Amino acid sequence: DTAVSQTPKYLVTQMGNDKSIKCEQNLGHDTMYWYKQDSKKFLKIMFSYNNKELIINETVPNRFSPKSPDKAHLNLHINSLELGDSAVYFCASSRTHQNTEAFFGQGTRLTVV
Amino acid sequence: GQSLEQPSEVTAVEGAIVQINCTYQTSGFYGLSWYQQHDGGAPTFLSYNALDGLEETGRFSSFLSRSDSYGYLLLQELQMKDSASYFCAVRVYQGGKLIFGQGTELSVKP
Repeated sequence: DTAVSQTPKYLVTQMGNDKSIKCEQNLGHDTMYWYKQDSKKFLKIMFSYNNKELIINETVPNRFSPKSPDKAHLNLHINSLELGDSAVYFCASSRTHQNTEAFFGQGTRLTVV
Repeated sequence: GQSLEQPSEVTAVEGAIVQINCTYQTSGFYGLSWYQQHDGGAPTFLSYNALDGLEETGRFSSFLSRSDSYGYLLLQELQMKDSASYFCAVRVYQGGKLIFGQGTELSVKP
């Protein structure tokens, strides 16, 4: 069983489209995250949810909207996609928001053309 | 601001020992973590130091000096499969978020 799974693995779409990435964890963790990794491999946190509540919201365009229907799921919806949104998006979870070990999903490679 | 510095790339031979350094400047420091990421893969957790000193886990060890805002990851008996990117990451007080360094690409040669 995959601990943190995200879909799709690859996403190619045109500028201006709206797309969603889904994430689920079966570890029973309280906290989930979205990270963005750019072409230079720089990993930057975007959002964090703890028990479905938003606790971290970095300076991210409001075209990006996370949604956590329950603590096992954290989805990311992106409106009006731009070329600069092309990156690998990683979902992750940790036991609590104070926990040191984060478990990452396999990533979604988003390419905007 | 918050920043972490680590070398962009390191090359070593199989069986050797390599040290990857990380210096950080952050507020609200909780501890320093290390993650490994193979090409096309997900970051995976290696170690965490909250207190000064050395933590050993098999072939990997991690060290922290809070007073120097410095840490390192030591990889011993290098194997080809250790070729990957290694990230240091600081956990800060604000919601416990991880701030990652730029990563060090380790190439292990035969």
